[in-house]
Amino acid sequence: DGGITQSPKYLFRKEGQNVTLSCEQNLNHDAMYWYRQDPGQGLRLIYYSQIVNDFQKGDIAEGYSVSREKKESFPLTVTSAQKNPTAFYLCASSVAATIGGYTFGSGTRLTVV
Amino acid sequence: DQQVKQNSPSLSVQEGRISILNCDYTNSMFDYFLWYKKYPAEGPTFLISISSIKDKNEDGRFTVFLNKSAKHLSLHIVPSQPGDSAVYFCAASGDSGYALNFGKGTSLLVTP
Repeated sequence: DGGITQSPKYLFRKEGQNVTLSCEQNLNHDAMYWYRQDPGQGLRLIYYSQIVNDFQKGDIAEGYSVSREKKESFPLTVTSAQKNPTAFYLCASSVAATIGGYTFGSGTRLTVV
Repeated sequence: DQQVKQNSPSLSVQEGRISILNCDYTNSMFDYFLWYKKYPAEGPTFLISISSIKDKNEDGRFTVFLNKSAKHLSLHIVPSQPGDSAVYFCAASGDSGYALNFGKGTSLLVTP
């Protein structure tokens, strides 16, 4: 079955440590996205990539980094520079030629202690 | 600055009645609008969309209405069912390529 896999579902890290969230898709989608969800804040765009080896900052990119070395993979690194990293992180993908109908992963809950 | 606004954080409706979820946007460059449904600890799932060239799109129990002059759209669910209880996000695109702008969501509770 095609879809997006985010792992792990729950992640705990100590303050000051970098952590990388995995996102893999087998939908053959060109575009991939990272969003962050906080209570009462909706979904806010962190980074997105429309093609391999290219990505753009979203609205809240500070303290995060990404890479897009393969079409299938778009890992997100939460660095120690991110002041409030505890959140629910969602990865999504879409066919670049059409918009809408994003396919989302099931999310990763990151808790920094 | 929030370009897509859902001003009602929550809505409670009786089973069988109509649910109306509202969404406003500020960016006149948006030309494609979507609704997503989300259960706790899961990713959102696509529900229905509408292009700016239309003012209505219907899919089963779900209908989206778009009023471009008012920069307003709404999602109607008729009849509402308990399984519809979830958070509904409005999203829009057209200004920054393919990245969607989301509202803060409205939590719908359908009571038996």
